Amino acid sequence: DTAVSQTPKYLVTQMGNDKSIKCEQNLGHDTMYWYKQDSKKFLKIMFSYNNKELIINETVPNRFSPKSPDKAHLNLHINSLELGDSAVYFCASSRTGDQPQHFGDGTRLSIL
Amino acid sequence: DQQVKQNSPSLSVQEGRISILNCDYTNSMFDYFLWYKKYPAEGPTFLISISSIKDKNEDGRFTVFLNKSAKHLSLHIVPSQPGDSAVYFCAAPRSSNTGKLIFGQGTTLQVKP
Repeated sequence: DTAVSQTPKYLVTQMGNDKSIKCEQNLGHDTMYWYKQDSKKFLKIMFSYNNKELIINETVPNRFSPKSPDKAHLNLHINSLELGDSAVYFCASSRTGDQPQHFGDGTRLSIL
Repeated sequence: DQQVKQNSPSLSVQEGRISILNCDYTNSMFDYFLWYKKYPAEGPTFLISISSIKDKNEDGRFTVFLNKSAKHLSLHIVPSQPGDSAVYFCAAPRSSNTGKLIFGQGTTLQVKP
């Protein structure tokens, strides 16, 4: 029974397109996150939501827009995709901000 | 500015021996550290943590040591098993309750049978 699930697992698309990645957690956690792992394997936080409210917004281009319809879901919408957006995107959740985070298996986004 | 650093990109050890993975940090305000383990095509999995009020935390085969004066922590795996082969990340929260984790770049551990 998957705790943090992301869809799709792979996403191949062309520059300029708009795409969304969905994330759901069934752990009852209050806080959810989006991370980006770039080609150098660094994991960097992009956004954090607590009970549907944005609490962290790193210096991410505003082409990236997270949406949290409820505390179990945090989706990521990306407009006008660029080559540099190619990466693996991980969703995560935690009970509170100071508890260990549980990660999904990632979405590998490839821009052609 | 990389505040959490893992300077060894890879480590290879023999099954049954000790694996020691190292992590250095620059921010003396960090008061809590975590280690995550990641298999290919999976997300990171929480392994073990340590608070800055301790210098050691043990969980089965895994022990984390913290040296605050040196701003250094290490993860010891004894005995190492082939299933431990993975990428290990150390991480620290930038602030106490926002969940904003700063990750090191990871060390790939290979345990040879």
